[in-house]
Amino acid sequence: EDQVTQSPEALRLQEGESSSLNCSYTVSGLRGLFWYRQDPGKGPEFLFTLYSAGEEKEKERLKATLTKKESFLHITAPKPEDSATYLCAVRSNFGNEKLTFGTGTRLTIIP
Amino acid sequence: DVKVTQSSRYLVKRTGEKVFLECVQDMDHENMFWYRQDPGLGLRLIYFSYDVKMKEKGDIPEGYSVSREKKERFSLILESASTNQTSMYLCASSFNLDTQYFGPGTRLTVL
Repeated sequence: EDQVTQSPEALRLQEGESSSLNCSYTVSGLRGLFWYRQDPGKGPEFLFTLYSAGEEKEKERLKATLTKKESFLHITAPKPEDSATYLCAVRSNFGNEKLTFGTGTRLTIIP
Repeated sequence: DVKVTQSSRYLVKRTGEKVFLECVQDMDHENMFWYRQDPGLGLRLIYFSYDVKMKEKGDIPEGYSVSREKKERFSLILESASTNQTSMYLCASSFNLDTQYFGPGTRLTVL
């Protein structure tokens, strides 16, 4: 069974203090790893898809990286508007077309 | 931009009522999904559909049914609502079974 574990559960940073969020996964053949951002009371907003180890993608202050066992979401010089819950999900090569989600990291950026 | 809309942001129903949650996407996506999101459990797939009138069970289909009569619309039905179905319900759609785009969510409370 596919599993996704995200750490830490919650993270508080000062504005401008860079850090990384972790997503560890076990999957029967990775077809894709997805990062989403979710604001309170709203649906997840798509950020990145990574397909193979060594791949990296960037968007503004966010950079996602992928290894064979985990993915990192690096946040550089964050601003208060980066505060949100960040969700990681995987899809395997086998079984149905579902995504398996982690429970997320709740990020708070303090001005 | 992909737009996924859900019929209600907030809904309050009584135990035993029949509940309809509607989802509409405007990007001609073949695939549509219903998830529920609960604290500490993450997003869990209820049902998905890969074509009109086609459906497949997800991880937690018990107590739910779905209907897809038109490509752009996917309905989730709670035949007899129960208090343990109080949750945030999220609809998503995708074109290539890859990146899923989510709607804003419906917060359902069953009293």
